[in-house]
Amino acid sequence: DLQMTQSPSSVSASVGDRVTITCRANQDINNYVAWYQQKPGNGPELLIYASSPVQSGVSSRFSGSGSGTDFTLTISNFQPEDVATYYCQNYNTPPWTFGQGTKVEIK
Amino acid sequence: QVQLEQSGAEVKKPGSSVTVSCKASGVSFTSSVFSWVRQVPGQGLEWMGRVIPIVGVTNYAQKFQGRVTMTADKSTSTTYMTLSSLRSEDTAIYYCARAPGSARGYSDYWGLGTLVTVSS
Repeated sequence: DLQMTQSPSSVSASVGDRVTITCRANQDINNYVAWYQQKPGNGPELLIYASSPVQSGVSSRFSGSGSGTDFTLTISNFQPEDVATYYCQNYNTPPWTFGQGTKVEIK
Repeated sequence: QVQLEQSGAEVKKPGSSVTVSCKASGVSFTSSVFSWVRQVPGQGLEWMGRVIPIVGVTNYAQKFQGRVTMTADKSTSTTYMTLSSLRSEDTAIYYCARAPGSARGYSDYWGLGTLVTVSS
């Protein structure tokens, strides 16, 4: 089965920092990657689809890149409301697996 | 606006089955693909499978093969997920999520989740 390996598993950031989260697939999945944000007590919300387009309504501080097997989510100018767990997901072919998640906390 | 209204919390005995429903509104049901994703308390998201309502096709994660059934009722715009042979490790929040299509499998709308507790 396809696996998505996310790193780091957790990170602490200061307000204004740039935060980078990576996701690696164990096979080529073209650009079929989405990124989600899950705040404590809430369900996931879509941030990025097709590796880089930002979902409508999502802050432009979020950006995505990558193709093939390596993908990146970047949070620019980190804000307190960005405290959350972030997940990547492959949707190339089923199973549409998620990464393990990256917990982002504030320093 | 788009809403995915899930059924309420369930408490089940080990060995029994649970069915969770997800009624979609504000979105084209037959143009969508619905996934079921679960989250064990304190853990990550786990994709269980998907159903494509327009053709009735399902795909399940290997882990759940033989124990899960997903269906879609086009007349009521409702999807269902049934998990059988429940064990304590199945205690989790179960989410339905909608994708715009099978080639666009990112989930742009999510239900609020249904807590399923498995306990004797």
